[in-house]
Amino acid sequence: GENVEQHPSTLSVQEGDSAVIKCTYSDSASNYFPWYKQELGKRPQLIIDIRSNVGEKKDQRIAVTLNKTAKHFSLHITETQPEDSAVYFCAAAIPNFGNEKLTFGTGTRLTIIP
Amino acid sequence: DGGITQSPKYLFRKEGQNVTLSCEQNLNHDAMYWYRQDPGQGLRLIYYSQIVNDFQKGDIAEGYSVSREKKESFPLTVTSAQKNPTAFYLCASSIGTGVNTEAFFGQGTRLTVV
Repeated sequence: GENVEQHPSTLSVQEGDSAVIKCTYSDSASNYFPWYKQELGKRPQLIIDIRSNVGEKKDQRIAVTLNKTAKHFSLHITETQPEDSAVYFCAAAIPNFGNEKLTFGTGTRLTIIP
Repeated sequence: DGGITQSPKYLFRKEGQNVTLSCEQNLNHDAMYWYRQDPGQGLRLIYYSQIVNDFQKGDIAEGYSVSREKKESFPLTVTSAQKNPTAFYLCASSIGTGVNTEAFFGQGTRLTVV
């Protein structure tokens, strides 16, 4: 099965600086890579996703890059703000004729220092 | 709020007892999932269901059971066979039989064995 590793487990950055979270996956057949944000006491919510036919995707201050050869993908947050403080999860999915399932990384707790 | 509801929010169980966690969605989603969240271990998949009357084991199914008699409901039973049931449980749903779509999460149930 798929295995997703996520680093770092904790990350603290000064407000206004950039934050980068990295994930690697094991199965080269994976073709969908979403990122979820979980604020304290709340449910995870999708913030951005990328498919294997795309190398980079941006949405305002967040971007995701994918390197299929190296089997890793990263989340980039620029101009960080206090509301970016949360736990972030990456995930990967392998196509399987309707029985796909998401495999999540272990999460990164991001703290923005005012 | 998101159309997927878990109940109760907090649940206490005595050792040796079975307990059932509720998950209901009104999003007309075909796929539903149960995850377990432990500190430092991310979201681990327990069971998932792509259609009514069908479900698949995830990565940590031992000690759990599910049913999918209705499209909108996917209850999870934590049995006495689960050795370490204290955890935060998240239910999710997605629109179709592929995971190349957003997963919507419930607000979670925190189960404590006393």
